[in-house]
Amino acid sequence: QQPVQSPQAVILREGEDAVINCSSSKALYSVHWYRQKHGEAPVFLMILLKGGEQKGHDKISASFNEKKQQSSLYLTASQLSYSGTYFCGTEKQASNTGKLIFGQGTTLQVKP
Amino acid sequence: KAGVTQTPRYLIKTRGQQVTLSCSPISGHRSVSWYQQTPGQGLQFLFEYFSETQRNKGNFPGRFSGRQFSNSRSEMNVSTLELGDSALYLCASSGGQAGSGNTIYFGEGSWLTVV
Repeated sequence: QQPVQSPQAVILREGEDAVINCSSSKALYSVHWYRQKHGEAPVFLMILLKGGEQKGHDKISASFNEKKQQSSLYLTASQLSYSGTYFCGTEKQASNTGKLIFGQGTTLQVKP
Repeated sequence: KAGVTQTPRYLIKTRGQQVTLSCSPISGHRSVSWYQQTPGQGLQFLFEYFSETQRNKGNFPGRFSGRQFSNSRSEMNVSTLELGDSALYLCASSGGQAGSGNTIYFGEGSWLTVV
């Protein structure tokens, strides 16, 4: 049931782009994206809902392909501050009970 | 607006002891959920409370329990601690109301080390 994230790790130079994928074998209602830096809380990035539009702010955006049950997080013109571990959390239905099933995480390192 | 607040931030306990962790959600949020994060298992859902009632529970043994108070503050308790309980325990809050896509906000976490 756990979604699968790919790649597991990626190293970028500042200004380069990256795509992180989150795939589920089950039909999804929502996908939540978070970034966590070592020793800190996961920080909410965005939420995508079934039937909803692609989201984005600044240079980070995401999409949700319902046919494939896959969400992709797009990081463009990466900055040093983008470094961290990215997690997708999924819901199969609109339970709103705070229960997310998380992927194993994708570690992103941005170098100068 | 203050974020999700967890106390204590760090603690060390001995096997067999018990521990209580506290969480204050974002003002106005009525849903509080708890997660365990370890390098091996990742982020795993423990349970969720809304209006003092447990609405959802993950696959953890009965040694893990929680409660929520009328002001939405929540505590989780782990009894008879085992070495494998060493982890970062994260509290998260959201509105918890019916509707589309409640955003879930996490606290800084409580680092528990069992020796």
